[in-house]
Amino acid sequence: DQQVKQNSPSLSVQEGRISILNCDYTNSMFDYFLWYKKYPAEGPTFLISISSIKDKNEDGRFTVFLNKSAKHLSLHIVPSQPGDSAVYFCAARSGGGADGLTFGKGTHLIIQP
Amino acid sequence: DAGVIQSPRHEVTEMGQEVTLRCKPISGHNSLFWYRQTMMRGLELLIYFNNNVPIDDSGMPEDRFSAKMPNASFSTLKIQPSEPRDSAVYFCASSFTGTDGGYTFGSGTRLTVV
Repeated sequence: DQQVKQNSPSLSVQEGRISILNCDYTNSMFDYFLWYKKYPAEGPTFLISISSIKDKNEDGRFTVFLNKSAKHLSLHIVPSQPGDSAVYFCAARSGGGADGLTFGKGTHLIIQP
Repeated sequence: DAGVIQSPRHEVTEMGQEVTLRCKPISGHNSLFWYRQTMMRGLELLIYFNNNVPIDDSGMPEDRFSAKMPNASFSTLKIQPSEPRDSAVYFCASSFTGTDGGYTFGSGTRLTVV
């Protein structure tokens, strides 16, 4: 039973346009959500996060939106750049940070010139 | 800071052999996590430690897998005996409990069991 789902294995976006990556979760106990970015042969790196008490968090070109009623979050990248091509993982946790993160399977974002 | 350091980067071993993966977390971090990444299952949490104590090992797939954290600066994940289905990338990550910045991951160990 997958508690964090990323239903799009891949996404192709033209450079300069908006990239929108989606994530759904099923566990109502999750109170903190994160996005990680992963390049080949490297470990995932933290990108941006959002607490369940908020519905939006912005950091430069990256914005995460949380819709708790729908158990859905999304990552917006504007404008998309070639260096954004990577696999993006959605993750969630409960328990105030002492517990492990539950990850989605990832979405491979490809930015086309 | 050098980040989370994992060794070896690559490991190829024969079925039935013992494999030991190593991890050095970031100094000052008090939580350590072992993850496994496969195409089929994505990133799975195997086990995590808080203050060197194993908290949840429910993700460890079988008794062939074991993990230790003898001190705050070192952890091992052992597979004995190894099987071809254990082939995956194994990641170690560390964090300081209560921070909002997520984990810091190592570069992973790519394990191939033939």
